Amino acid sequence: AQSVTQLDSQVPVFEEAPVELRCNYSSSVSVYLFWYVQYPNQGLQLLLKYLSGSTLVKGINGFEAEFNKSQTSFHLRKPSVHISDTAEYFCAVSRGINNNDMRFGAGTRLTVKP
Amino acid sequence: DVKVTQSSRYLVKRTGEKVFLECVQDMDHENMFWYRQDPGLGLRLIYFSYDVKMKEKGDIPEGYSVSREKKERFSLILESASTNQTSMYLCASSTPTGILNYTFGSGTRLTVV
Repeated sequence: AQSVTQLDSQVPVFEEAPVELRCNYSSSVSVYLFWYVQYPNQGLQLLLKYLSGSTLVKGINGFEAEFNKSQTSFHLRKPSVHISDTAEYFCAVSRGINNNDMRFGAGTRLTVKP
Repeated sequence: DVKVTQSSRYLVKRTGEKVFLECVQDMDHENMFWYRQDPGLGLRLIYFSYDVKMKEKGDIPEGYSVSREKKERFSLILESASTNQTSMYLCASSTPTGILNYTFGSGTRLTVV
């Protein structure tokens, strides 16, 4: 089965600084990759996804992620963060279209400080 | 606006009680899921259902059961609640090829005392 490792449990950063949230996955087959965001007291929202094609994926709110097959990574980046980006971020992987197969990482709490 | 609605935001129950967590979606989705979310562990799949009256075990089904009598409603049941089931519970739904439209509810924070 596939698995997901988010390398940082907490990432504090100042407003307008760049940020990278790291995600590595393990799977013996091709995968689909996702980043979700969870704001306080809310469910998860999809930020972006990689299904195929270009390895650089752009999502909502200025986030982007790069799929690196050789390093089995899918790191999330934003060049300049805002206070409103404070949230928990989850990386997820699925082997197929039927996403009962989706597995989530442990999450990274991003805290943006003024 | 499409929605997955979880009936309770917060619940406090006593050890040994039978607990029902309800989830309703208005998107006519075939698939529905129950996850629990714990710090440091992320989301773990408890059960999912791909059709009415159908259910499949996820990664951590022990101590839980589910019911899906109608397409829009998926219930999670704790037959005899225990303190180690204190957690945030998230419901989600999707179509059969649902990677593009996996929708989560806002969660139910359950405390078992």
